[in-house]
Amino acid sequence: AQTVTQSQPEMSVQEAETVTLSCTYDTSENNYYLFWYKQPPSRQMILVIRQEAYKQQNATENRFSVNFQKAAKSFSLKISDSQLGDTAMYFCAFMGQNTGFQKLVFGTGTRLLVSP
Amino acid sequence: AAGVIQSPRHLIKEKRETATLKCYPIPRHDTVYWYQQGPGQDPQFLISFYEKMQSDKGSIPDRFSAQQFSDYHSELNMSSLELGDSALYFCASSLAVNRKRMSSYNEQFFGPGTRLTVL
Repeated sequence: AQTVTQSQPEMSVQEAETVTLSCTYDTSENNYYLFWYKQPPSRQMILVIRQEAYKQQNATENRFSVNFQKAAKSFSLKISDSQLGDTAMYFCAFMGQNTGFQKLVFGTGTRLLVSP
Repeated sequence: AAGVIQSPRHLIKEKRETATLKCYPIPRHDTVYWYQQGPGQDPQFLISFYEKMQSDKGSIPDRFSAQQFSDYHSELNMSSLELGDSALYFCASSLAVNRKRMSSYNEQFFGPGTRLTVL
């Protein structure tokens, strides 16, 4: 079974600075997707960024980028120019072909606090 | 743009009671997923449906059942409620996934969740 590990329960960063959230995963599959989801205090689950395993190029969405190291099974999220609205719980998630791309497997989350 | 609708948003039940949670997917989405997020926990996949058929099953208790209807909305029925069932229940929807294609991912759009409290 796939597992997703987020070793940082909480992180803090000051506004305008850069922060990196870590994620590692374990799988024997070759074809899969990795995601970062944001869950603000409203508890809504919001997709931040997605990475296809067969793509070597790291995904980027505005201030959000990932460092995908397939061999090391590592998938970190970098948030540049942090904003107060980035304060949220961040979940790393895996979705594999073996489950028909049906099932998201989440890590335990990292709580990010952005302070002024 | 239309989003996933879940009702009710909040539900309070007593132990051993029954609860029904409803999910209305984004128009034209034919696949529905249910996740359970306990307090301080990550979301856990429960079950998914495509074209009214169960397509995948996770750690869903036998006391729970779900179905998808012809209009693609889905209902999660929970019986003999226990204190441990208190959680945020998310529904997500997507277009159907073509499992034979290598890059057949379709984004799951999450609803706002139903917060179930069992007293």
